[in-house]
Amino acid sequence: EAGVAQSPRYKIIEKRQSVAFWCNPISGHATLYWYQQILGQGPKLLIQFQNNGVVDDSQLPKDRFSAERLKGVDSTLKIQPAKLEDSAVYLCASSLVGRDYGYTFGSGTRLTVV
Amino acid sequence: QKEVEQDPGPLSVPEGAIVSLNCTYSNSAFQYFMWYRQYSRKGPELLMYTYSSGNKEDGRFTAQVDKSSKYISLFIRDSQPSDSATYLCAMRDDKIIFGKGTRLHILP
Repeated sequence: EAGVAQSPRYKIIEKRQSVAFWCNPISGHATLYWYQQILGQGPKLLIQFQNNGVVDDSQLPKDRFSAERLKGVDSTLKIQPAKLEDSAVYLCASSLVGRDYGYTFGSGTRLTVV
Repeated sequence: QKEVEQDPGPLSVPEGAIVSLNCTYSNSAFQYFMWYRQYSRKGPELLMYTYSSGNKEDGRFTAQVDKSSKYISLFIRDSQPSDSATYLCAMRDDKIIFGKGTRLHILP
């Protein structure tokens, strides 16, 4: 089974620029998550999709972050404009509906804002 | 008080030793308890999960949950250098909440 694919692996941008990350979940996984992991911290949920609908975006900074999953498969997360404190690893994860106890994570995109 | 507390380490132990990793939590609504392992520059991978209180064993790994004390543990027996990683505890009620992770180094 292919894993969760994410790109790019690394990105360096200047503050106030915009950036986008892409995620392709495991085939058949209806639920998709975006997490932010700041160095030395555990992952923090930004947004959860089920198919192409948003289930939870309560921790997404909506003034600068946006995410979409138009066809219920792959997803993009965008930051515009970026701030220094957005430097983190952005992890995508997916799961089968009803699998309450764990997800499969991708390797993440490491973002550095300078 | 944070929902999930985990000592960040680092924890260094010699090869072959028994490793004990722990988390405490405050939300009594948590039902699922998980341990993830994260290697450097990789995403977390699910190692073990338990539902409610009790023990669960999988090879060299044992997970324990004590809901009365709001305390969970992961034990690694016969630790190997390949076990060197960050171990994240995680708990779930309506969403998964992660601890900060404990960095573990197994010394050859």
